[in-house]
This record gives sequence, structure tokens and C-alpha cells, in this order.
Amino acid sequence: DAKTTQPTSMDCAEGRAANLPCNHSTISGNEYVYWYRQIHSQGPQYIIHGLKNNETNEMASLIITEDRKSSTLILPHATLRDTAVYYCIVRAPNTGNQFYFGTGTSLTVIP
Amino acid sequence: DAGVIQSPRHEVTEMGQEVTLRCKPISGHNSLFWYRQTMMRGLELLIYFNNNVPIDDSGMPEDRFSAKMPNASFSTLKIQPSEPRDSAVYFCASTLGSVNYGYTFGSGTRLTVV
Repeated sequence: DAKTTQPTSMDCAEGRAANLPCNHSTISGNEYVYWYRQIHSQGPQYIIHGLKNNETNEMASLIITEDRKSSTLILPHATLRDTAVYYCIVRAPNTGNQFYFGTGTSLTVIP
Repeated sequence: DAGVIQSPRHEVTEMGQEVTLRCKPISGHNSLFWYRQTMMRGLELLIYFNNNVPIDDSGMPEDRFSAKMPNASFSTLKIQPSEPRDSAVYFCASTLGSVNYGYTFGSGTRLTVV
């Protein structure tokens, strides 16, 4: 699976959009981009995933660049409950289904 | 749906004792994963099962660790004998096994070996 690079930490003002970047310059054509988050003392939570097109669900939006070498997770209106560690993972199908988590980005939403 | 259920939530045991962690995956999910999380090493995949069969246990740290999945609704992770360095939060996760599904994690078991 391709390696990802994320900033160690970020701050965001409550009510503003939180934009979390992820670089995956060695991504292969069949690898998907997944985002998870882990709120303190809880298990990781699936947020969203995509292959080429931008994706949106009730939690967030995922913007993938045309060359697929990077992506951005957008939380449109961050709340204090969005304070968590956010993991970006790239993974190909049919590779045993396992996810390998890196160190992620620690997002702090400030009142 | 009750989600992935792990028990116990907290476990404190003495070094040398046997510890058994339990997991009930979401009904209908055919893949199950055990992860361990520590401050030093982050989230580590220990082992995963597809259709109750262990597929990859290369992440299991030592022979002291073993995992079983006797049926589709139950899995155990056993440590025997336990050591202080095994102290961590152990997570279980399940999925339908397709690329279009993410994992659902349990709340974890916090293990402390003294």
C-alpha cells in the first residue's frame, strides 16, 4: 500500500471549515483513499473514501486531485466534537482488506 | 445494530497471568481484525480473519499471543503469559470485506499488566 504523509497537528476555529491534507504521491491506479478518525479513548471511526472523484457524505467531503497524488478531507462546519486524530490511508482492493494506520493528524477545534 | 462489542472494557492483571479478550462482530460481517494501540507504536494490526479463517497473523508479536474465531459471531485474543509490555488498548473491528466498506471498530479493551 502507498505511504501517506499528513501534518502532525492542526487547529481550526469552531464553525469554520477544517481542511486536512494528505499526500500520497506513490499511489497506484487501483488504490482507494480512506479517511478515519479517532476521538480520544474511542475506536477509530470510518469517515469517507474515494478513488478518483470527489465524494461527499453526511460527515465530510473528500477532494482528490486530478493526478491523485494528494487529497483533502473537509469538515464543513467544525464542532468541538470533531477534535480527534484523523488518519488518511490508501489501500488497494483484494489485498486482504487490512488497513495500516499511520500517525495521522491531530485536529483541535478551538471554541 | 449494537455495533462491534468488546469485553471487558478494562482489564488489570498481574504479570504471568492469562488474559482473554473477547469480540462480537457485527452480524453479517465476514472479516474481523484485532489491533493493538500504544503511544509508542500507534495502531498495529495483529491478525485478521476472513470467514472465520485466520488469513494473516504476521502482526502477532510473539507466541504468547493467540487468536481464535470459532464461529462468525465470536472471536478471542489470548495472551499467555502476560507481561507489562503487553499493556495497551486492544481493538476489534469487522467489515463486509469489500473495498466499498470501511471498518467498524469496537470500543476497545484497555489492558494493564502489572
